[in-house]
Amino acid sequence: AQKITQTQPGMFVQEKEAVTLDCTYDTSDPSYGLFWYKQPSSGEMIFLIYQGSYDQQNATEGRYSLNFQKARKSANLVISASQLGDSAMYFCAMREDNTGGFKTIFGAGTRLFVKA
Amino acid sequence: DSGVTQTPKHLITATGQRVTLRCSPRSGDLSVYWYQQSLDQGLQFLIQYYNGEERAKGNILERFSAQQFPDLHSELNLSSLELGDSALYFCASSATSGRQTQYFGPGTRLLVL
Repeated sequence: AQKITQTQPGMFVQEKEAVTLDCTYDTSDPSYGLFWYKQPSSGEMIFLIYQGSYDQQNATEGRYSLNFQKARKSANLVISASQLGDSAMYFCAMREDNTGGFKTIFGAGTRLFVKA
Repeated sequence: DSGVTQTPKHLITATGQRVTLRCSPRSGDLSVYWYQQSLDQGLQFLIQYYNGEERAKGNILERFSAQQFPDLHSELNLSSLELGDSALYFCASSATSGRQTQYFGPGTRLLVL
């Protein structure tokens, strides 16, 4: 069965330091997509970064990068130079490319606290 | 602002009632997805529509139904509501039913009393 695992319920990081949020996944489909979303306390879901299963390079979006290790089935999010505004819940998600439709499953999330 | 709109923002109702949640996708997006986020179940995929047709189904209860209209807006109908249906319901949209990023609306917070 398809599964996303985020093993860190909560993380602390000092402002301006880098932090890695872990995500492992399990799927038997060769074609899939991996996403990270941020959910601040206000509740909205903000798209951060995307990695396709066939992408050769690790995805980067500004201060966000995705450390994609396909053989290990991991897709860790790296946030560089943390800011106070990065304090939020972070979700890893996997979209499976089933015929005709696209189910997306989410991990349980990691709550990140950035300390001043 | 993702460009996805959802109404209402908050909804309080009683057990046994029926409610309708509405979603308007980003301009040009053909695909709409519905999700439920609750404290005990986390974020769960409910259903996907593409250009008016159902394309994928997740953990959607039989008491729940959805549709996508010709103008591409979508509605999620929840009936015979139970206390456990209290949750944040998100709608998301993407450009196609392909490998496109989903952009989420602000959500509808449903409280069943």
